[in-house]
Amino acid sequence: GAVVSQHPSWVICKSGTSVKIECRSLDFQATTMFWYRQFPKQSLMLMATSNEGSKATYEQGVEKDKFLINHASLTLSTLTVTSAHPEDSSFYICSALTTELSSYEQYFGPGTRLTVT
Amino acid sequence: AQKITQTQPGMFVQEKEAVTLDCTYDTSDPSYGLFWYKQPSSGEMIFLIYQGSYDQQNATEGRYSLNFQKARKSANLVISASQLGDSAMYFCAMRGRYGNKLVFGAGTILRVKS
Repeated sequence: GAVVSQHPSWVICKSGTSVKIECRSLDFQATTMFWYRQFPKQSLMLMATSNEGSKATYEQGVEKDKFLINHASLTLSTLTVTSAHPEDSSFYICSALTTELSSYEQYFGPGTRLTVT
Repeated sequence: AQKITQTQPGMFVQEKEAVTLDCTYDTSDPSYGLFWYKQPSSGEMIFLIYQGSYDQQNATEGRYSLNFQKARKSANLVISASQLGDSAMYFCAMRGRYGNKLVFGAGTILRVKS
């Protein structure tokens, strides 16, 4: 089956520092990757959509300068939370689409829990 | 705009019984797909079942079936023979014809009682 990994699985950082989260498709090439944010007991909120080699498309209300997304290759996308603050503490999940496998299924990573102190 | 509504914040079901999780949707796209995901406390999103808007038959995957009523714009998930391991958050989601974004509902927390 299609596997998407995320690293790190959890991270604690101090306010004002930056944190990078990696999302990798391990056994397929991801034409499109998505980044979601989820608060406890709430739904997933789409932050941005990224296609390999092009700039990410951010959802309304998401600060592109704060949440930097890079989709450098067909197997790797990164989300960098710059100058993190406690309100950025959340669960971040990536997912990937591919034309190699199922035409409709998005494959999700296991998520990264970010705590900003 | 697309919208998914899950009106049940939480549900209880007795082990071995069936349970229905409600989902209604709204879209102007003629072609769309409907998804159900399970999210246990670990946080991973587990794909359960998919229904295409033009599929004639309701989708089934093992103990999961999707009760698709297009005219009512509903896509309820039925879990048969509930197990303790089914306790989790369940999300209904939709993807329209244009673009690849998934729109999620608010979710339903299911608790299976022994």
